[in-house]
Formats: sequence, structure tokens, C-alpha cells
Amino acid sequence: DTGVSQDPRHKITKRGQNVTFRCDPISEHNRLYWYRQTLGQGPEFLTYFQNEAQLEKSRLLSDRFSAERPKGSFSTLEIQRTEQGDSAMYLCASSFPLGGTYNEQFFGPGTRLTVL
Amino acid sequence: AQSVTQPDIHITVSEGASLELRCNYSYGATPYLFWYVQSPGQGLQLLLKYFSGDTLVQGIKGFEAEFKRSQSSFNLRKPSVHWSDAAEYFCAVGPRRGNTGKLIFGQGTTLQVKP
Repeated sequence: DTGVSQDPRHKITKRGQNVTFRCDPISEHNRLYWYRQTLGQGPEFLTYFQNEAQLEKSRLLSDRFSAERPKGSFSTLEIQRTEQGDSAMYLCASSFPLGGTYNEQFFGPGTRLTVL
Repeated sequence: AQSVTQPDIHITVSEGASLELRCNYSYGATPYLFWYVQSPGQGLQLLLKYFSGDTLVQGIKGFEAEFKRSQSSFNLRKPSVHWSDAAEYFCAVGPRRGNTGKLIFGQGTTLQVKP
């Protein structure tokens, strides 16, 4: 399977714990995006990378959140001191400049986080 | 503010009936437009996209969408719905300027298909 993969698929944690998610994009894609999707809502943009550079972070991304893409391939999203409001599906997507635009994104299956 | 509105949260149609899912957007300029489908426990799959040209675009699984600039709409249609189409559908817009690729999604429409 050459699609976007995410690990783990599900994570249950207690409030205050740290969690880390991983995303492996499609291999030739140089852009990688993180979105968060809460129940009953559409995905919301969190941050994105071009190669290893983090180009933009949403205001949704508090200082408890950090994302990396150290070698321009896989990415990790870490949440420190989790809160119940962090419970959501975290989606990763990747893209390459098709027709000069990065808008066509390919999504992974997501990591569902539940904070107890 | 930039936003996408999907007025219908839930829609139920009978198998074989036609379908139209509505999408309106508010954006500074005409954005790129997308429809995605999400099945339970799955990621988002791109159904179709509009970048330029013909305002009626064809997608996968027999879906089509029509871009109407005057109405800021991009409604999704299918002439005959199959039970396997039951899922959540998201309309999204992306910027032409800046090339950030940051997508803005609507809140989604859940489609239920009656046998």
C-alpha cells in the first residue's frame, strides 16, 4: 500500500499524559499537513511542512502541541499534558505540486485520540 | 472570514434515488473546490475537484459537481444512489494565492441510504 499511513489508529490516554502520533506520507510528496477533526465537524488545519520546514501553524495549535518532520519524510505530532478537549481524530495528508498547486491532498486513516 | 457551509447535516435518500448535497463558500476570490467522502473509521477520499474550465466536473463513483460562481456554490450530485454511498461528505476549499494548500472544510453532510 503506497498511501498515507498513520500510527497508532487509536490512542486512549489519561489527562495530563503526553502522546505522540506518527504519519508516513506518500513517498514522493514533499508537503505534509496535519488536521484535527472533532465529532460532527469537518477537519481543521493545524500545521504543514514542506520537506522538513514547518511553514505555518494554526492558532489552534497551542504550545502543548509540537510537530516535526526531521528528514522531510515521516512526521510526528506530540501533545503534551493532554486535556479532554484534545479528544479528536488527527488526520495527516500529503501532497505534491500537481499542476502547480498543493491543494490536492491525500489523507491517511487518522489517529483517534480519547483523553479520559 | 473564509468559510464553507453545508446546510444539510443529515440527508436520507432511497437507494436508486437522485442525490444533491449543497455547499456554499465564503472566500476572497474563487478558490479551488473539492468534495471528499469519509466512511466510518476511514480517512478522507477525494471524490472530485474544480480548478478551472468546465464548471461541471465529473468524479469517481458516478458523482459530479457544478460550480456556480454567482451563487458561490459547488453542489454535489449523483443520479442514482447506491447503498454503498452511505457516508459523510465534506466540501472543502483551498487557496489559489500563496499556494499553501490549507484546506477549509464544511462541517459535513451525513448521507443515509434507505433500501
